[in-house]
Formats: sequence, structure tokens, C-alpha cells
Amino acid sequence: AQSVTQPDIHITVSEGASLELRCNYSYGATPYLFWYVQSPGQGLQLLLKYFSGDTLVQGIKGFEAEFKRSQSSFNLRKPSVHWSDAAEYFCAVEGAAGNKLTFGGGTRVLVKP
Amino acid sequence: GAGVSQSPSNKVTEKGKDVELRCDPISGHTALYWYRQSLGQGLEFLIYFQGNSAPDKSGLPSDRFSAERTGGSVSTLTIQRTQQEDSAVYLCASSLDGGGIQPQHFGDGTRLSIL
Repeated sequence: AQSVTQPDIHITVSEGASLELRCNYSYGATPYLFWYVQSPGQGLQLLLKYFSGDTLVQGIKGFEAEFKRSQSSFNLRKPSVHWSDAAEYFCAVEGAAGNKLTFGGGTRVLVKP
Repeated sequence: GAGVSQSPSNKVTEKGKDVELRCDPISGHTALYWYRQSLGQGLEFLIYFQGNSAPDKSGLPSDRFSAERTGGSVSTLTIQRTQQEDSAVYLCASSLDGGGIQPQHFGDGTRLSIL
């Protein structure tokens, strides 16, 4: 069965500093990987996705993620965070059948001024 | 609107009552998903509809939960004889074809509170 682990429950970062959120997955074949962001009271917004090809993928809002098959990881990064990046971030994996997403537990990001 | 629409946005009901949650997917999207987000369990898959195929109900937690999708568009999630542990945010998502490559787009959810 597929699974996703986000080791960090909370991260606090200063505005303007870099951010990296960790994600490790378990899946028997090449996974489809996603990062979503959720602001309070809102649904999930897709930041970026990986299906195949280039292992460094660019997303919206200045985010990028790198797929590393050898480490079963798909970490999310942003070079310089803004106060508006404070939110909860979810990593997810989907099988080729496309019938469901399996989510990690989420990482809540707090941005200090 | 262009996005996934869910109603109501909030629902408060007494234990033992039945509730219906509605999801209106993005026009043209053939795949529709329901998820539940709760403090204790995180984000969990509930059910998946793809076109005219039989739905994947493997995530429904009990037989008190059911869902239907009429005309390949609007979906209703029904919870019968609600229990306090059903309190959660219920999220609906849709995707173009459910083949895995097309990403899922989420609505803002229905926050369900059972008193």
C-alpha cells in the first residue's frame, strides 16, 4: 500500500529566509507526486506535480520540488518565503490508476516577520 | 464559477440525524472524489466516481456513509445516524479524467459538526 510521511509537523521560518519541507513516500512503482497548500478555512490548492521526466519541477508561488527516487523523497523548497506562505502543506502520492490520493500528515508553516 | 463548489460550507447537527453534503465539480470533469479531513486521522480518501463506472467505495468508514453522483455531475455524500466522530471537514475534488495524470482540484469543503 502506498504511504506518505512528512516528518515535520510544524516549521517556523523568518520572512525572506529559505524553506524546505520534507516528504518521503512508499509506492511500488513510479508514483505521481503532488504538493498541495491549504490556508485556514480553505480547500487544497495544487502547488506542483511530478509525473515523469525532469526530476526538478517548478510550481506556482515560487515553489519547486525535487524527486529523488533513490531516497523516495519529494521535498518542497522556496528560496525566500513571504508572510502569505504561512499555511499547511500536504504532500500526496497517487497511483497510475488515478483513483485516489494518499496524503502525508501535513506540515504547518509559520512565518515570522 | 470555475472551481469545485461545495455546500453547505458549514453544517451543525445533532447526533443521530442524517446529513447530506453536496459537491458540484468543475464542468467537464469526469472524475469526482470525496475526502475527509479530521484532527485525528488527517486527510482520508472516502469514495471515487469515474464516468459511468461503478464507484470505488473502499474508503467509506461504515455503512452509514453513502454517496451518489447523478448525471455524471453533481454528487451527494450522505451520512446516516451521525455520530460525534463524524465531525470533520468533508472535501470534494474533481479531475478531468481520473487517469492519474490530471491533478485533482479541491473545493473549500463542508465543515460538519455533530453535537
